[in-house]
Amino acid sequence: DGGITQSPKYLFRKEGQNVTLSCEQNLNHDAMYWYRQDPGQGLRLIYYSQIVNDFQKGDIAEGYSVSREKKESFPLTVTSAQKNPTAFYLCASSSRGLAHQGEQFFGPGTRLTVL
Amino acid sequence: GNSVTQMEGPVTLSEEAFLTINCTYTATGYPSLFWYVQYPGEGLQLLLKATKADDKGSNKGFEATYRKETTSFHLEKGSVQVSDSAVYFCALSDPGYSTLTFGKGTMLLVSP
Repeated sequence: DGGITQSPKYLFRKEGQNVTLSCEQNLNHDAMYWYRQDPGQGLRLIYYSQIVNDFQKGDIAEGYSVSREKKESFPLTVTSAQKNPTAFYLCASSSRGLAHQGEQFFGPGTRLTVL
Repeated sequence: GNSVTQMEGPVTLSEEAFLTINCTYTATGYPSLFWYVQYPGEGLQLLLKATKADDKGSNKGFEATYRKETTSFHLEKGSVQVSDSAVYFCALSDPGYSTLTFGKGTMLLVSP
């Protein structure tokens, strides 16, 4: 089955540690995205990548970093510079074809708790 | 810039009641419009979409019509079920379809 996988589902880290969240897709999509979700805040875009080896900052990129070395993978690192990292993180992907008109497909999410 | 405004929740209904969740938007050009649904602890799933003015998206009994004159995309369902309890997000694409802008979400609670 084609889809997006995120691992792990739950992640606990101590304050001051960097942590990397995994996102893999087998939909052959060119574009991938990372969002952060907090209660009552909706989804906020952290980073996105429309092609391998290129990515752009979203609305809340500070304290986060990404890489896009392979089309299938878009890992997100939450660094110690992120002041309030506890949140639900969602990865998404989309085809750049006009037929999909911007539709994004989402993974199941990773809930990060920093203790 | 683009923005999406949804009615605040929670919306609390009894089973078989009529549902409306309001969504209005501000955008340049002619965006595509989407409704996504999120069940507790899960990612978002596309519920329906519309890509041009007067288009009606529909799925699983839910409907929404792209109204350019009122910049709205309200979600409706004639008879809700307990299993419809979830958070619903309205979203629009940017003109190049490279990013989505989401509303803050509306929680729906349906009681038996």
